Amino acid sequence: DAGVTQSPTHLIKTRGQQVTLRCSPISGHKSVSWYQQVLGQGPQFIFQYYEKEERGRGNFPDRFSARQFPNYSSELNVNALLLGDSALYLCASSPTPTGNTEAFFGQGTRLTVV
Amino acid sequence: AQRVTQPEKLLSVFKGAPVELKCNYSYSGSPELFWYVQYSRQRLQLLLRHISRESIKGFTADLNKGETSFHLKKPFAQEEDSAMYYCALRYNYGQNFVFGPGTRLSVLP
Repeated sequence: DAGVTQSPTHLIKTRGQQVTLRCSPISGHKSVSWYQQVLGQGPQFIFQYYEKEERGRGNFPDRFSARQFPNYSSELNVNALLLGDSALYLCASSPTPTGNTEAFFGQGTRLTVV
Repeated sequence: AQRVTQPEKLLSVFKGAPVELKCNYSYSGSPELFWYVQYSRQRLQLLLRHISRESIKGFTADLNKGETSFHLKKPFAQEEDSAMYYCALRYNYGQNFVFGPGTRLSVLP
């Protein structure tokens, strides 16, 4: 299955630490988006990247940052972790950043901050 | 601001009964509405979108701009329909979705 892959699948961090989450999009997909899903809620948009440039940003503090690499993979970084950052982080890829194309989601990275 | 609401956290129906999962949205522009589904231990996947006006797995949804709703319906529920359903709004023609909180559908035998 050559779907969107995310690593690691689970992660436990301590308050104040920094974390990096990784996403590999489907081959040929150039757009990557990140979402945070807190338990009991729907996913909330964090970032979108296309061709290594940020195309959209949700309502998240500057502690959250991301980047996209030439191979279209992406990393999400969160600094100075808070307990409230505990969530499932989802990555979605699509061929283009706009238009009538489907976004495909990865299985997510479950981050627990203690 | 864009917002999607799904009033029911949990909906239980018997197999063969009709199903309606409610979704309302607020958006000042022209919305694109979607339903995503997450089966147990699987990733989030697209079920249907209002633009295509298609029926997937027997589900349909009609965009009602007057009532700002996009309810998901199926005339006869099956046990395999049990899953988490999320209504989502896409804005600015991008890949930025606003998701509702989700409704867990449980189809009882």
